[in-house]
Amino acid sequence: KAGVTQTPRYLIKTRGQQVTLSCSPISGHRSVSWYQQTPGQGLQFLFEYFSETQRNKGNFPGRFSGRQFSNSRSEMNVSTLELGDSALYLCASSLDQGLTEAFFGQGTRLTVV
Amino acid sequence: GQNIDQPTEMTATEGAIVQINCTYQTSGFNGLFWYQQHAGEAPTFLSYNVLDGLEEKGRFSSFLSRSKGYSYLLLKELQMKDSASYLCAVRVPYSGAGSYQLTFGKGTKLSVIP
Repeated sequence: KAGVTQTPRYLIKTRGQQVTLSCSPISGHRSVSWYQQTPGQGLQFLFEYFSETQRNKGNFPGRFSGRQFSNSRSEMNVSTLELGDSALYLCASSLDQGLTEAFFGQGTRLTVV
Repeated sequence: GQNIDQPTEMTATEGAIVQINCTYQTSGFNGLFWYQQHAGEAPTFLSYNVLDGLEEKGRFSSFLSRSKGYSYLLLKELQMKDSASYLCAVRVPYSGAGSYQLTFGKGTKLSVIP
């Protein structure tokens, strides 16, 4: 069974630009969560989507947004990029909202210059 | 707020046993997870504890004490491939029925030496 697929794997953007990241969960999984991972802060929760609805949101500014489609695929958007947004962005999929076992994708490495 | 503490780095010898501790103070608790993450790769699920006690899975065991806000991951018969970061994560309820989120510690980087 295919795992969680994130695209693209690597991105380089300029300050002020915007970026869209994509996550395709494991087939049948309806919950998708997004995390930002940096060396200093570790893994920080961004938001979770379930059945096309954002159910949870972490402490990130409004520049970070996302959505989920009817096929459970999810996108994350960051507008007005800042240097501090450089990080590994991971998405995790699980069967339900309970996150009984979350499976992570390989991540998108975003570098803002 | 949520606070999850684990040592930043540990070093152990191939064939030995190592214990990675995790303490947590969270607003609510609905399970504790351990993940392994090799450099440049995605975290992979290792174990899940929701009740007190020890869960054993091959060379890996995880222990939980909810009253002490404490967990540990025990790795036996260490192999070089066990060199990785180990992430402790607590599932906490979020506002809204049946909604949760995972809060992670910053991870423990384990180096296994010959």
